[in-house]
Order: sequence, then structure tokens, then C-alpha cells
Amino acid sequence: ETGVTQSPTHLIKTRGQQVTLRCSSQSGHNTVSWYQQALGQGPQFIFQYYREEENGRGNFPPRFSGLQFPNYSSELNVNALELDDSALYLCASSVDRGPSRYTFGSGTRLTVV
Amino acid sequence: AQSVTQPDIHITVSEGASLELRCNYSYGATPYLFWYVQSPGQGLQLLLKYFSGDTLVQGIKGFEAEFKRSQSSFNLRKPSVHWSDAAEYFCAVGARGGGADGLTFGKGTHLIIQP
Repeated sequence: ETGVTQSPTHLIKTRGQQVTLRCSSQSGHNTVSWYQQALGQGPQFIFQYYREEENGRGNFPPRFSGLQFPNYSSELNVNALELDDSALYLCASSVDRGPSRYTFGSGTRLTVV
Repeated sequence: AQSVTQPDIHITVSEGASLELRCNYSYGATPYLFWYVQSPGQGLQLLLKYFSGDTLVQGIKGFEAEFKRSQSSFNLRKPSVHWSDAAEYFCAVGARGGGADGLTFGKGTHLIIQP
């Protein structure tokens, strides 16, 4: 197992810009979920992809979007960045459709200035 | 809607002392329950999870948790803490089956270990 790898580890963006965060999952992990963790808070569910289709979404606006690729990699895209988007973004992958066997990555720390 | 409450934002424990971290959940049925640990700047590591069966669940690093349906609680315990246990601890609830709603996390408890 190679684990779940996220890139970049840190980045700084300006309000209004767009950002793409990347996640590389383990082979066979057909489900990937993304979470936003604001400072001092628990992670919040953004959305989940199963076999390249979004099949679940939390309370996040449409400017948060994603893609999942056949090679077990995925992306989180955020448009029109706001200051409140500053957070640690975590990717979690699983062989199951649900969250029962997540493996989390170490996250990407996004700062919006 | 499901929710998780971790009443203690910070807990300070002396090394070698016992530990209990509290977690209460709100959910319409019997959920999946999880405890995760997060070290600074890191992702989440699963300590243990409860799906069904024995309500006392053993996890990694000497942790255990007890599911109490009547109290809607899933408290985490360790008989003797080590300095390396200092971290942020999160309780989470998830739907059974192939749910696509992700996990709902509490706000976390920051554990400080005194020498």
C-alpha cells in the first residue's frame, strides 16, 4: 500500500482566484471524499466521488467541484476563492462506497489572502 | 440531521494517568461511530470504530471506547497515557450501508500531557 498522497502541502492564493488540489489514492480505492477543516474545527464533508461520479455532497456551494480519474487520482477545484476558504483540505479514499474504511491523506493547507 | 458533540475543548492529563474523552451524538438510527487522532499538521488516523456487536471496542495504541445507546455516547478511554498521546482527538458519526453522506465530526478535544 502506498497510502493517500495530497499535493501541494501548502499554498497561498488571493481572494477571487481559483485553486486545484490533488489527491492520489491507493489502487482499488474507488471512493474518494474531500473534507474542509477550518482552524480549530473538525473536518466538514464537502463531497464524495464513486467511480468517477459525484454521489454525495455536503453543505458547500457549487464553486466547490471535483473530478475523479480512472487512475485513482482526484482533484478538488475551488473557484472565486473567499477568505473563509482558508483551511486544511483532506482527501480520504476507501474501497467501500461509504466512509467505513477511510484512509486519509495529510492534507493541503490553503491560505487565502 | 446528525451531529456530534465533544464537550471538552481541552483536557490536560498527567503522564501515566487515565484518560476519558467524551463524545455524544445525535442520529436517527444506530450509526457507525469512529474516533480519529490528528497530530499537528497531519491528516487523521483511525483509532477505532464501532459498527455492531460488542459495545466495548478496542483500538490501536491502547485505546478503547464504549458505545452506550441509552446515553447516545461513545467515550474514548485509555488506562495510562504517554507523552506521545498529545494530539487532537475527533469523534465522528457516519451512516450505515453505502452511504454517500460522509462523516460528521465533532469539533475535537485537544489533549495536553503534563510530565
